[in-house]
Amino acid sequence: NAGVTQTPKFRVLKTGQSMTLLCAQDMNHEYMYWYRQDPGMGLRLIHYSVGEGTTAKGEVPDGYNVSRLKKQNFLLGLESAAPSQTSVYFCASSRERETSYNEQFFGPGTRLTVL
Amino acid sequence: QQPVQSPQAVILREGEDAVINCSSSKALYSVHWYRQKHGEAPVFLMILLKGGEQKGHDKISASFNEKKQQSSLYLTASQLSYSGTYFCGTEAGGTSYGKLTFGQGTILTVHP
Repeated sequence: NAGVTQTPKFRVLKTGQSMTLLCAQDMNHEYMYWYRQDPGMGLRLIHYSVGEGTTAKGEVPDGYNVSRLKKQNFLLGLESAAPSQTSVYFCASSRERETSYNEQFFGPGTRLTVL
Repeated sequence: QQPVQSPQAVILREGEDAVINCSSSKALYSVHWYRQKHGEAPVFLMILLKGGEQKGHDKISASFNEKKQQSSLYLTASQLSYSGTYFCGTEAGGTSYGKLTFGQGTILTVHP
């Protein structure tokens, strides 16, 4: 099992460019999450999904969009990148809380720099 | 609101003990603990559900006081491999869908 994978690992964008980050999991998890991590800030939730076809906003959703067309994939889009979006982005997945312990499994991260 | 972790940093020698605290202003359903090494993804350590259940994992254990909305992570007889940043993630009750709010992290450094 690969667990949670993220593509790409690194990316440099110019202000105003767009891009999509791909997250894939092979654990058949219902819930998926996108976080950003900035120095000294911990992990902050951008968007999350509780199942195929569903998405919802987290703490810091502005400037991002997401889609979950397939259960195993969760895409994060930046329509018009800004320097403030320079960060490390982590995707995570978990089982439903109601069925078992729902620890989150994290992908390796994507380091994004916006110039 | 983000839970508050204390201390912000701890420096230990191998074999020493440490306690990391996590405090929230909200009523909690569960508390998760994760460890992150530099340049890597966070890795799950343990989860505590409301009820004050204490859990253990090797020489790392944790407690959860739901009345005070506080959790503590106990690292005993620390090893070099324990070095990293420790995060607590708190989950509110109700329809939280497993959403976690993470603390700012505690940097733990273990020296030989």
